[in-house]
Amino acid sequence: DTGVSQNPRHKITKRGQNVTFRCDPISEHNRLYWYRQTLGQGPEFLTYFQNEAQLEKSRLLSDRFSAERPKGSFSTLEIQRTEQGDSAMYLCALDLDFLDNEQFFGPGTRLTVL
Amino acid sequence: AQSVTQLDSHVSVSEGTPVLLRCNYSSSYSPSLFWYVQHPNKGLQLLLKYTSAATLVKGINGFEAEFKKSETSFHLTKPSAHMSDAAEYFCVVSVDSGNTPLVFGKGTRLSVIA
Repeated sequence: DTGVSQNPRHKITKRGQNVTFRCDPISEHNRLYWYRQTLGQGPEFLTYFQNEAQLEKSRLLSDRFSAERPKGSFSTLEIQRTEQGDSAMYLCALDLDFLDNEQFFGPGTRLTVL
Repeated sequence: AQSVTQLDSHVSVSEGTPVLLRCNYSSSYSPSLFWYVQHPNKGLQLLLKYTSAATLVKGINGFEAEFKKSETSFHLTKPSAHMSDAAEYFCVVSVDSGNTPLVFGKGTRLSVIA
């Protein structure tokens, strides 16, 4: 079975604070992706891991953003010194089919920066 | 680089009438194409995918899409709309090699009127 939990589901923070999100697959998946979705837009790619290696980072991922996948299972995404423009839904996705890149999406973490 | 254009930001249909959501893509390679649906406050769900097999692809809930290489299109259709189809729909493209992120369109909001 494919499943993924994301915590927290909602986060409200003040500008300048640091926040960390977590993505937990329920089973093993080689590839894990992070996307960001702002209001009225489609998700945009941030970064992805193959096992514990971070293979690609988007230009959207400024130096305030860092992601890890230390044991090749769960992953964390940290945003330092949050800005109001960081307010968005942060989505974690897992590879279901390597050949055609089908991905399964988690429920997301909604971040609001005041 | 891959890109996707969803030609309508909002489509409104009456219940029981056909649905057409339009999508054009741009890809340097033989693409994999997907339609995902996002209901309010719910996660992204895969409707269907095209991966260079049959050009007419059937998905869940009666939706289907036709890949037309000559027109670089992948329009989503359904013969008869149901109230539960009201949601945001995303057309998505991926390079066929399976090692790149998904590229989403901006989405089409489907409204179904009783």
